[in-house]
Amino acid sequence: DAKTTQPPSMDCAEGRAANLPCNHSTISGNEYVYWYRQIHSQGPQYIIHGLKNNETNEMASLIITEDRKSSTLILPHATLRDTAVYYCIVRVGDSLNNAGNMLTFGGGTRLMVKP
Amino acid sequence: KAGVTQTPRYLIKTRGQQVTLSCSPISGHRSVSWYQQTPGQGLQFLFEYFSETQRNKGNFPGRFSGRQFSNSRSEMNVSTLELGDSALYLCASSFIGVKDTEAFFGQGTRLTVV
Repeated sequence: DAKTTQPPSMDCAEGRAANLPCNHSTISGNEYVYWYRQIHSQGPQYIIHGLKNNETNEMASLIITEDRKSSTLILPHATLRDTAVYYCIVRVGDSLNNAGNMLTFGGGTRLMVKP
Repeated sequence: KAGVTQTPRYLIKTRGQQVTLSCSPISGHRSVSWYQQTPGQGLQFLFEYFSETQRNKGNFPGRFSGRQFSNSRSEMNVSTLELGDSALYLCASSFIGVKDTEAFFGQGTRLTVV
């Protein structure tokens, strides 16, 4: 799976949008971008994923650049409960015939939402 | 729908002992993966089981092993425990398919080796 690069930490004011960047310049055509977050001492929580189109769900939006070499996770109105470590992971989508469900976690971005 | 259940949540063991951790996946999920999380090494993949077969394995010594049962429940075992095995052990379950699928994690088992 491709390596990702994320800033180690970011701050965001409560109520403002949090924009978390991720670089994945060696991403392959069949690799998806996944975002997970981990609130202190809990299991990682799935947020969103995408291949090349922008995606939105009830938690966040994912913006993927046209060349797919980077992406941004957007939490539109950050709350204190969004304080967590956010992981950007790229992996092959075909879990049946390829590498299965192995996720390679990097260091992530520690997002601190402040009042 | 019930999430991924890991038992026990906390465990204290002595060096040299062995330990077995359990993971019940989400109903219908046939893939179960295990991860170790430590402050120094972060989240590291241990192994994945699918249809009772180990499909992928991370870079861990043979003291770490696992298995999966016909109902997709999985167990992992660590023998001859070392102090460095103290960690949060996480289990994730996934539906397997040819398109994108996401993994759902349990709350983990925190193992302390003394």
